[in-house]
Amino acid sequence: GESVGLHLPTLSVQEGDNSIINCAYSNSASDYFIWYKQESGKGPQFIIDIRSNMDKRQGQRVTVLLNKTVKHLSLQIAATQPGDSAVYFCAENTSNRDDKIIFGKGTRLHILP
Amino acid sequence: DVKVTQSSRYLVKRTGEKVFLECVQDMDHENMFWYRQDPGLGLRLIYFSYDVKMKEKGDIPEGYSVSREKKERFSLILESASTNQTSMYLCASSFPPVRSEAFFGQGTRLTVV
Repeated sequence: GESVGLHLPTLSVQEGDNSIINCAYSNSASDYFIWYKQESGKGPQFIIDIRSNMDKRQGQRVTVLLNKTVKHLSLQIAATQPGDSAVYFCAENTSNRDDKIIFGKGTRLHILP
Repeated sequence: DVKVTQSSRYLVKRTGEKVFLECVQDMDHENMFWYRQDPGLGLRLIYFSYDVKMKEKGDIPEGYSVSREKKERFSLILESASTNQTSMYLCASSFPPVRSEAFFGQGTRLTVV
């Protein structure tokens, strides 16, 4: 989920297990959400997006769930692999503030062998 | 493949220097963005641009300016570098609207001493 202070929350997952990364977004008017993955030494990379008229969207090994009632977003990664080790950011946008994507603070996913 | 290239991976500058961070994209994207990334704070938007000669302030524009003379190039300028501008700087580009996949450069780690 969202971090407080200078320390990133870390999720440690056994290789092969499913990972669930959570995000609490801030603006109830937000209606577009994105997940980005940032590997060490690289810029963020788009994973998947979802609009507020949906509550679930699936990609390859990833699923994003949106619960607008509690302003909660999650990213599920199936059969976690070593290459999934990264920092994951959720981001939000509102149609009445179409000029900005607001990023969360990130969650570090650590894969245990 | 979309490519967003930042001119330097690492920079060390002295307090008070004028610093230029360059970003070039090769996909004819209208939108370009500059973020800074600090531990535990996520990505914060400094400036963005929707077209040549256009610029808009993001959330933390103080101490920065930008230039977009050509569509493919977006420059971030630190008028007088200060130690609190030591950070990772990320450039991104996308097609309009803002609600679309943004492609990031690899980042420039700037240290101001």
